[in-house]
Amino acid sequence: GAVVSQHPSWVICKSGTSVKIECRSLDFQATTMFWYRQFPKQSLMLMATSNEGSKATYEQGVEKDKFLINHASLTLSTLTVTSAHPEDSSFYICSARKGQTREQYFGPGTRLTVT
Amino acid sequence: GNSVTQMEGPVTLSEEAFLTINCTYTATGYPSLFWYVQYPGEGLQLLLKATKADDKGSNKGFEATYRKETTSFHLEKGSVQVSDSAVYFCALTGATGFQKLVFGTGTRLLVSP
Repeated sequence: GAVVSQHPSWVICKSGTSVKIECRSLDFQATTMFWYRQFPKQSLMLMATSNEGSKATYEQGVEKDKFLINHASLTLSTLTVTSAHPEDSSFYICSARKGQTREQYFGPGTRLTVT
Repeated sequence: GNSVTQMEGPVTLSEEAFLTINCTYTATGYPSLFWYVQYPGEGLQLLLKATKADDKGSNKGFEATYRKETTSFHLEKGSVQVSDSAVYFCALTGATGFQKLVFGTGTRLLVSP
């Protein structure tokens, strides 16, 4: 199998606070993980690509100082939304690449609501 | 650059109807093509894939054939069920090395009993 988990599945936080979202590959090692953002009824927008042990590569227009990504091991990547604001409220989805395949396996997503 | 175009939804069908969701792409060479499904409140699940021309991906009654000549990867199912109600995303990755997934905008399918 190729199972990816995310934690938490949903979180509510106050404006100005930081929130950390974890993405784990449960039964395989993921050298590359991806973070996406999805607005209601829209497609996924790739935010960044993270490779284990190196800095993440952010897509154009994504603030790297606001969305901190750490890929500390082959099974864990974290996304920290710093100083969150209501406009950061969204559905955040991670995915992991298994080995050298072109497939990505997606986590169940984390719904962030900033009040 | 690479891109994917999907038909706009929602697509509304009665149970047991035939389903087609159109997907066309723009890419150089031979990209890999995917269909993902997203159920309400969940992440994406890989539904099927095809990695070379004329390949047919199939899963759970869904099929899609990689048509290089028409640059298409249309999703079909002969008889839909209420449980198929979801959003379907067509996607591709580039032909060389490993490139990021490029998604279409998604098509919402609503199946009524």
